[in-house]
Amino acid sequence: GENVEQHPSTLSVQEGDSAVIKCTYSDSASNYFPWYKQELGKGPQLIIDIRSNVGEKKDQRIAVTLNKTAKHFSLHITETQPEDSAVYFCAARNRGGGGSNYKLTFGKGTLLTVNP
Amino acid sequence: DSGVTQTPKHLITATGQRVTLRCSPRSGDLSVYWYQQSLDQGLQFLIQYYNGEERAKGNILERFSAQQFPDLHSELNLSSLELGDSALYFCASSPRQGASTDTQYFGPGTRLTVL
Repeated sequence: GENVEQHPSTLSVQEGDSAVIKCTYSDSASNYFPWYKQELGKGPQLIIDIRSNVGEKKDQRIAVTLNKTAKHFSLHITETQPEDSAVYFCAARNRGGGGSNYKLTFGKGTLLTVNP
Repeated sequence: DSGVTQTPKHLITATGQRVTLRCSPRSGDLSVYWYQQSLDQGLQFLIQYYNGEERAKGNILERFSAQQFPDLHSELNLSSLELGDSALYFCASSPRQGASTDTQYFGPGTRLTVL
């Protein structure tokens, strides 16, 4: 099955700096890679996603890059703000086909702290 | 607010007991997914239902079961509870049965504590 590794597990940055979180996946058939932000006491919230036919996607201060050859994808947050502090999860999902292929496999998460 | 609702928010029970967690998907979504989140295991997929039928199974224990009703809400039943079942349980929904273009939207979760 799919295995997703996420690094680092904790990341502390100063307000205004950039933050980068990296994930690798094992199954070359995976074709959809969402990133979720989870604040304390809340459920994961989708912040950006990328599909395997795209190398990069940007939404304001957030960007995601995908390297299919190396099987890794990264989340980039620029001009970080204290409200960006949360746990971030990457995930990978296989193409549809029935059975367990519909599931998302998550990384272990990164606790991002943005210091004012 | 994702539009996915879960009840109850917190649940405290004893070992050996049985509990039922409830989820209502976003309006129009046909798929419901259940996940368990614990400190050591992270977010683990349990099971998916699509329009009332089971579609995919993950790391779900035999003591756990789920169903999706005609109105599309879903229930996760956990029985013979053990201390290790203490975790956050999340429900997510998506419009279809997991096509590559589907996004999963998560509810706020149910925190289960087994004493």
